[in-house]
Parts: sequence; C-alpha cells; structure tokens
Amino acid sequence: AQTVTQSQPEMSVQEAETVTLSCTYDTSESDYYLFWYKQPPSRQMILVIRQEAYKQQNATENRFSVNFQKAAKSFSLKISDSQLGDAAMYFCACIVQMNYGGSQGNLIFGKGTKLSVKP
Amino acid sequence: GEEVAQTPKHLVRGEGQKAKLYCAPIKGHSYVFWYQQVLKNEFKFLISFQNENVFDETGMPKERFSAKCLPNSPCSLEIQATKLEDSAVYFCASSQSLQGLNEQYFGPGTRLTVT
Repeated sequence: AQTVTQSQPEMSVQEAETVTLSCTYDTSESDYYLFWYKQPPSRQMILVIRQEAYKQQNATENRFSVNFQKAAKSFSLKISDSQLGDAAMYFCACIVQMNYGGSQGNLIFGKGTKLSVKP
Repeated sequence: GEEVAQTPKHLVRGEGQKAKLYCAPIKGHSYVFWYQQVLKNEFKFLISFQNENVFDETGMPKERFSAKCLPNSPCSLEIQATKLEDSAVYFCASSQSLQGLNEQYFGPGTRLTVT
C-alpha cells in the first residue's frame, strides 16, 4: 500500500522569510506523481505544484519549489518570500501509476501541515 | 462549466437520516472522484467513476454509502442511515484522465453535519 507522511502538524514563518514543509512517501511502484495542495480556510483545494517521478529536475512555480529526493522518497515544499496569503493547510499527495501501465488515479494524501505566517 | 460544482454547501442531518450530495464535474472530464475529509483534516478516497461506470470503489463503506454518475445528470453520493462519524466535508474532483499529468479539479465541498 502507498502512504504519504507529513511529520509537521504545524509550522510558522515570518512574512518575507522562507519555510520548508516536509513530506515522505512510500510506494513500491517506480512511476508516480507527487503534488502539494493548499487548502485555505475556505476549504477550496488548490494545486500548488506537481512533480513527475521520472523527472530529476525539481519543479518550481514562482515562489514555490520542491526538493525531490527519489532515493530517500522525500518531497519537501519550499515557500520563498512568504506572504500572509500563504497561510493555509498544505497537503502532500501522490498518484501511483501501476506496473501494468494503468493507474487507480486517486490521490493519496498526507495528514497536512498547518502553516501560519506572522506579519 | 469550467468549475466543479457541489451542492449543497452545508447539510445537517439527524442520526439515522439519509443524506444526498451532488457534484457536477467539469464538462469534458471523464473521471469523477469523491473524497471525504474528516474533522482532523485527513482525506479518505471513497470512489471514482469513468463516465457513468464505477472505476474504483475500494474506499466506500458499502453498507450505507452509494454513488452514481448518470448521463446528463449531476453525480451523487448518498448515505443511508447517517452516523455521527459521517460528519465531514465531502469533496468531488474531476479530471480528463487518470494520469497524474492531468490535474484533478476540486469542487468547494459539501459539509455534512450529523447530529
């Protein structure tokens, strides 16, 4: 079974500073996709960034970047120049592509990290 | 439409009553997923559809939960005889395919409160 673990229930960062959220995952499959989702108090799920397992280059989206360490099964999210609007729950998630080429397609989520941004 | 729509926003049911939630996926998306987010924020996958066919129902508590996606109708998730533990936010998501390259677009969720 595939699992995603977020070991930091809560994190705090000063506005304009940088913060890193941790995520580890476990799967026996070699082909998978990793995601970070943001969930603000409105509960709307927003895709922040996506990483394909077969790509070695770390994904970046503006102030958001990942550190993907495939051998260690680690997928951390770095938020640079933190803004008040970044305060939210952040969920790490995975979609696994099975060996036969198919995919169950459903997201497997970690338990989330609550990020607070101090002005 | 370009957004996943879910109705109602909030639903309150007494224990033992039936609850029915609706989801309209983005037009052109073949796959619909239902997730349950309990009050501790943990997500649980319930069921997925490929058009009107059940694709994966491994997460469904089969005794009381059922779901459908019929042509030209919103998808639905129905809970018979609700229990207190069913209190959660239920999210629907849709995507063009099962591949991770295709984003799953989430609806705003339906908050179910069982009293």
